[in-house]
Amino acid sequence: GAVVSQHPSRVICKSGTSVKIECRSLDFQATTMFWYRQFPKQSLMLMATSNEGSKATYEQGVEKDKFLINHASLTLSTLTVTSAHPEDSSFYICSARDSGQLSVNQPQHFGDGTRLSIL
Amino acid sequence: GDSVTQMEGPVTLSEEAFLTINCTYTATGYPSLFWYVQYPGEGLQLLLKATKADDKGSNKGFEATYRKETTSFHLEKGSVQVSDSAVYFCALILIQGAQKLVFGQGTRLTINP
Repeated sequence: GAVVSQHPSRVICKSGTSVKIECRSLDFQATTMFWYRQFPKQSLMLMATSNEGSKATYEQGVEKDKFLINHASLTLSTLTVTSAHPEDSSFYICSARDSGQLSVNQPQHFGDGTRLSIL
Repeated sequence: GDSVTQMEGPVTLSEEAFLTINCTYTATGYPSLFWYVQYPGEGLQLLLKATKADDKGSNKGFEATYRKETTSFHLEKGSVQVSDSAVYFCALILIQGAQKLVFGQGTRLTINP
């Protein structure tokens, strides 16, 4: 089945550090990838839609300069949390949709998430 | 706007009990519906889906039927196992527009032996 690899799985770093999270589609191409944030015991909040070769589309209230997204290839999107602070601590999850699937009803495939802890 | 409302948890059952997790939706268009499952510390896995009215999605003993008349997609399983303990998310996606997944708030399920 379709596999999405997310790396790293856990990051602990000091306040002010920038952290990069990678999301890779391993056996399919993904024109579109999605980045979510999940707070403890809560649902997923869509942060942005990452589009290969173009700028990401951010949801309302999400700071573009804080959460930098790059989608330079059909199999890789990165999320960089710049100058991270304790309030940025969260579980970040990416997902990808198979570009080879014609129907938009096809499900998104999720990575295993990255737990970010800022001290 | 488009939204998904799930049964509030947490839900605690004994092994072999019957499970129902309610899910209703509001959508401006004609959505496809999904159930995702999240095990502790992991991302989401697709459990089942349905793309049109009266479709029944099924997987691993779980079932859900797309009911347009009641705008519902309730998740059921006849006999749960301890390994089913997880958080379950109902979600929709619209064919039109941005094609983004809209999630319910999630329902935490715990199965006791």
